[in-house]
Amino acid sequence: GAGVSQSPRYKVAKRGQDVALRCDPISGHVSLFWYQQALGQGPEFLTYFQNEAQLDKSGLPSDRFFAERPEGSVSTLKIQRTQQEDSAVYLCASSLGIGRVYEQYFGPGTRLTVT
Amino acid sequence: GQQVMQIPQYQHVQEGEDFTTYCNSSTTLSNIQWYKQRPGGHPVFLIQLVKSGEVKKQKRLTFQFGEAKKNSSLHITATQTTDVGTYFCAVIYTGNQFYFGTGTSLTVIP
Repeated sequence: GAGVSQSPRYKVAKRGQDVALRCDPISGHVSLFWYQQALGQGPEFLTYFQNEAQLDKSGLPSDRFFAERPEGSVSTLKIQRTQQEDSAVYLCASSLGIGRVYEQYFGPGTRLTVT
Repeated sequence: GQQVMQIPQYQHVQEGEDFTTYCNSSTTLSNIQWYKQRPGGHPVFLIQLVKSGEVKKQKRLTFQFGEAKKNSSLHITATQTTDVGTYFCAVIYTGNQFYFGTGTSLTVIP
């Protein structure tokens, strides 16, 4: 009964480095979401996958952010040329159904610190 | 993105007191979900409301969706120290847009 897992749990990157954050959703979950959560704020939507299709990437803050889910299970969020404002917790969530009207199960998050 | 306001931002209560957080939207919502996030943890789903005027209860927690589907509340009766955390509403507009609220941080003083 594994839940959503994310790795690494913590990442420190120097400004300008590229990072890759991994999400393993619950097996069989169709939908996968990425969120960015700054300290003291609510999660902000980044992007949504239905199986391998990226149906919504309207929340990605810049073209430095890229996400993929090539086989409809594991997903990777990549941030190129990291900036200090990218420092945040990146949360992944999955849900059984299609769309946002289903309960989302969140992973523990990856805390990214850009120095 | 859109801001979904929750009030209050912070609430300190004595253990045993009641607590209420409100979630307000300027436009009509399709659905609303509530999540709890413990300090250092991740959001955990509590409930989803769909119908106008809907009221749902989970033990000491009561969730309500406004008649106009523009606001919602979460009420906790007789708070316990295990209720500590930040409570977020997450709103779904028609068109499947999904936003988390600003959150209410609850501290329970034993």
